[in-house]
Amino acid sequence: KAGVTQTPRYLIKTRGQQVTLSCSPISGHRSVSWYQQTPGQGLQFLFEYFSETQRNKGNFPGRFSGRQFSNSRSEMNVSTLELGDSALYLCASSLALGAGTEAFFGQGTRLTVV
Amino acid sequence: GESVGLHLPTLSVQEGDNSIINCAYSNSASDYFIWYKQESGKGPQFIIDIRSNMDKRQGQRVTVLLNKTVKHLSLQIAATQPGDSAVYFCAEKPNNNAGNMLTFGGGTRLMVKP
Repeated sequence: KAGVTQTPRYLIKTRGQQVTLSCSPISGHRSVSWYQQTPGQGLQFLFEYFSETQRNKGNFPGRFSGRQFSNSRSEMNVSTLELGDSALYLCASSLALGAGTEAFFGQGTRLTVV
Repeated sequence: GESVGLHLPTLSVQEGDNSIINCAYSNSASDYFIWYKQESGKGPQFIIDIRSNMDKRQGQRVTVLLNKTVKHLSLQIAATQPGDSAVYFCAEKPNNNAGNMLTFGGGTRLMVKP
């Protein structure tokens, strides 16, 4: 069974631009979560979607947004990019919600803002 | 490879020795804890989990210990191998959150000397 697929793997953008990242969860998984990983802040939760609805949102500015489609694929968008947005963006998929539900991570999208 | 943390605490062990990686968690309401392994260029990979109604759980070569009194979690790796070299993260999920949001610790880099 295919794992979590994130595209693209690497991206270079200029300050002020906007970017869209994509995540295809494991087949049958309906929960998708996004995380930002940086050397300084570690892994931080961005948001979570289940059945096309945002369930939780982390402490990030409104420039960060996301959505989930009916096939469970998810996208996240960052507008007006800042240098500090350079990070590894990770997507995790889970079969369902709740404690004990294992999260499977993709390899991430490495975003560099110049 | 990806740099997941420039100033991570590092544990250096000899191949064949046992490793113990520690984690202090913050939320006393958390009821599910997970250990993840992250190798360079990859997303976090699930190792083992434990519910708050347990204090010990064993897997293949790994054991997780949970001490709720002092909010401490540890991962023990038996007979550590070079392939165990990676960054290890603990993560917690609060029981007041029906979603899959995880809060991650800062990570520990494990280096195995052959």
